[in-house]
Amino acid sequence: EVQLVESGGGLVQPGRSLRLSCAASGFTFDDYAMHWVRQPPGKGLEWVSVINWNSGSIDYADSVRGRFTISRDNAKSSLYLQMNSLRAEDTALYYCAKDIRRGQVFIFDSWGQGTLVTVSS
Amino acid sequence: QSALTQPASVSGSPGQSITISCTGTSSDIGSYNLVSWYQQHPGKAPKLMIYEINKRPSGVSNRFSGSKSGNTASLTISGLQVEDEGDYYCCSYGGSRTSRGVFGGGTKLTVL
Repeated sequence: EVQLVESGGGLVQPGRSLRLSCAASGFTFDDYAMHWVRQPPGKGLEWVSVINWNSGSIDYADSVRGRFTISRDNAKSSLYLQMNSLRAEDTALYYCAKDIRRGQVFIFDSWGQGTLVTVSS
Repeated sequence: QSALTQPASVSGSPGQSITISCTGTSSDIGSYNLVSWYQQHPGKAPKLMIYEINKRPSGVSNRFSGSKSGNTASLTISGLQVEDEGDYYCCSYGGSRTSRGVFGGGTKLTVL
């Protein structure tokens, strides 16, 4: 059974940093691209970032480009999101999501339960 | 990357059929078959219901179907059931130039 477990969320002041982690199990992690998708409270889904199977292709939504960095450790079956210069509008539930391919096609067949990031002073 | 356009809400009675539209552009939905649909119940993670326009993952009811015409994709749910109530989101690949994904704003389905 595929499992994705996010951690690292919490309350942080504007301008500070936070690092999210996603522990994967139940599938061959390095066979798939991985994504972060976020959902502000009471709002819709927003794609945040993607990393392909070997970290050779990475991309970001315009809203986080230059502030967030995605990475993965295939040996540890883990996905990360380093979030710097956080803003109030980054407040959201952050989901780790598995792509159906090695190269990203933006089809997410498994999701974690999310980790909540709240940016407030 | 602009969000795909979905109706804010749709409703139907048990047993009826409903269709949710998702309108993009010639750069995303119009150019690729990489459209997917997700169901989300309150407090839960999204669940993949349809991918690559009209494919169903294992375990998803055949009451769910998808289609595409031009820049618009659609999700049809037939034989509505109470448990189908929830939020539905479409998503598309944004194109090779951007390598980004884009979601629709979401549609709240109410089963009356």
